Amino acid sequence: EPEVTQTPSHQVTQMGQEVILRCVPISNHLYFYWYRQILGQKVEFLVSFYNNEISEKSEIFDDQFSVERPDGSNFTLKIRSTKLEDSAMYFCASRGPLAGGYNEQFFGPGTRLTVL
Amino acid sequence: RKEVEQDPGPFNVPEGATVAFNCTYSNSASQSFFWYRQDCRKEPKLLMSVYSSGNEDGRFTAQLNRASQYISLLIRDSKLSDSATYLCVVNRRSNTGKLIFGQGTTLQVKP
Repeated sequence: EPEVTQTPSHQVTQMGQEVILRCVPISNHLYFYWYRQILGQKVEFLVSFYNNEISEKSEIFDDQFSVERPDGSNFTLKIRSTKLEDSAMYFCASRGPLAGGYNEQFFGPGTRLTVL
Repeated sequence: RKEVEQDPGPFNVPEGATVAFNCTYSNSASQSFFWYRQDCRKEPKLLMSVYSSGNEDGRFTAQLNRASQYISLLIRDSKLSDSATYLCVVNRRSNTGKLIFGQGTTLQVKP
């Protein structure tokens, strides 16, 4: 069964450093997402990406964040200068080719980011 | 006010019990509704979509009341493997498919 994969599973970084979280969505999917979940809190939407551009972003997704689909298979989230409060589980998700809200989003296993 | 509200629980029930979870959403523009399941430190996984007519999948029944902006999930004959956090999730009327998650309700099924 096709699945979304994410690397690394755990990333530890120093405050102020840049990190890049990587995701490989399901191959025929067209819509891509990043969500985050701070420990003990709810899953929060960060950004959606379609047709090589951001289609929606949340207030959390400020200038320190960027996304890219550099090669048609990987989908990356970059945090330019990490803060302590960026420590969270980051989930990538992808959705199939049909438009509309009923299509299931498939989530990757997540990258746990720890900022020291 | 939170956009999606759930009772966090925990709900502790014996095997075989029937348990019901409720969820309310505040934005009447919400278009699609889902229950996801999340095991500890794992990714959310879709349990079922929720339709206006109500829908059932084995031991799981989901109901939607648009007038009251209320969603429910009923689990019959609980199994130990049902122990998890159940996330109420809505999608606003948007082409982006952005999902808005509730805090989740924790279920612990005991032998």
